Amino acid sequence: KQEVTQIPAALSVPEGENLVLNCSFTDSAIYNLQWFRQDPGKGLTSLLLIQSSQREQTSGRLNASLDKSSGRSTLYIAASQPGDSATYLCAVQYPNTDKLIFGTGTRLQVFP
Amino acid sequence: NAGVTQTPKFQVLKTGQSMTLQCAQDMNHNSMYWYRQDPGMGLRLIYYSASEGTTDKGEVPNGYNVSRLNKREFSLRLESAAPSQTSVYFCASRSVGGQVYGYTFGSGTRLTVV
Repeated sequence: KQEVTQIPAALSVPEGENLVLNCSFTDSAIYNLQWFRQDPGKGLTSLLLIQSSQREQTSGRLNASLDKSSGRSTLYIAASQPGDSATYLCAVQYPNTDKLIFGTGTRLQVFP
Repeated sequence: NAGVTQTPKFQVLKTGQSMTLQCAQDMNHNSMYWYRQDPGMGLRLIYYSASEGTTDKGEVPNGYNVSRLNKREFSLRLESAAPSQTSVYFCASRSVGGQVYGYTFGSGTRLTVV
């Protein structure tokens, strides 16, 4: 069964720390992997998308890496800010399918 | 503002009642999706539509029906609501072969079945 796991489930850090969120997937034959952000009571905002042929993508203070062979992705957040507090979800898409398989998310709190 | 619009935002139903969740996108996207989000289980795909006139079952389709009315609109219907359908429902759309960020999500419908 194709599953996506995210650890830790929750994380609380002081402002300014660099942090890493982890995502693992059981079937490594992915088409792409995406990281989303979800604020409480809100929808999902796409942050980064990595195609299966890529190793990483960067957007501002965010860097996502992909190790397809080991079934892992990490989201690195540099110099965290209270405004980064949210739930971060990763999702994978497999070839020849039009749907995403989501992890259960990491709830991040950055305190001043 | 361009994006995915869901209505209603909140709804309380009694067991056995029916209702339709509405979703519309104005980005000319081909594909549209309905997901449900439950605590500890992540988002799970209910139904999706790869193009106007087509629909397919996702991971958890039982108890739901969908209609792709036109390219803009994709509705989700609960014919006889059950407490197990208490959840947050998200609609999403995507332009196949398009943008880097692909998927756009609506803000969700919070449904409680009592």
